[in-house]
Amino acid sequence: DIVMTQSPDSLAVSLGERATIDCKSSQSVLYSSNNKNYLAWYQQKPGQPPKLLIYWASTRESGVPVRFSGSGSGTDFALTISSLQAEDVAVYYCQQYYSTPPTFGQGTKVEIK
Amino acid sequence: EVQLVESGGGLVQPGGSLRLSCAASGFTFSSYWMNWVRQAPGKGLEWVANIKQDGSEKYYVDSVKGRFIISRDNAKNSLYLQMNSLRAEDTAVYYCASRYPWNYVFPSWGQGTLVTVSS
Repeated sequence: DIVMTQSPDSLAVSLGERATIDCKSSQSVLYSSNNKNYLAWYQQKPGQPPKLLIYWASTRESGVPVRFSGSGSGTDFALTISSLQAEDVAVYYCQQYYSTPPTFGQGTKVEIK
Repeated sequence: EVQLVESGGGLVQPGGSLRLSCAASGFTFSSYWMNWVRQAPGKGLEWVANIKQDGSEKYYVDSVKGRFIISRDNAKNSLYLQMNSLRAEDTAVYYCASRYPWNYVFPSWGQGTLVTVSS
């Protein structure tokens, strides 16, 4: 199975500042035949199910604010919140779907400083 | 609006069985692969199983193979998870989730149902 490792485990950012979460996969999730990275990001607020934010490493799901962006390729990826809002307090997970079973990172908790 | 509503969770003793259900509405259920994803208390997410639109293909994470059975009834817009030989480590919130046709990306989730395995 592909192991997904996120860093940091938690971070505190001031309102309006940038937050960046890193995600590393134990093997490449870049599929050479279509040049796509099989990597998604989810947001989970307390007491709620996860919400899909980004797939193909950088494609925002419909309705997701533009302050959320994804980047990276191969084994190293990042989720950036360009200007943190109070409603962004949550745990964020990366997930690979390159191979079965799909696997998630351990999560990164984002709080307000 | 897509709605997925899980039910059937509860407290069960180790070695026992439980059947989870997920009622779907707001989309053409029979056109989608469907999944179960679980989350142990205070922990991360773990994909458990999925089933093809017509039920002809089913896949499971290794830790539940031979113990859990996923099924669906397209006439009732419902997804099920029969869980047998339950262990303490199966304790989790179980989410029903749809999947994009092209791969294991989960755009819609239910609110989840809690399964607690304890004596």
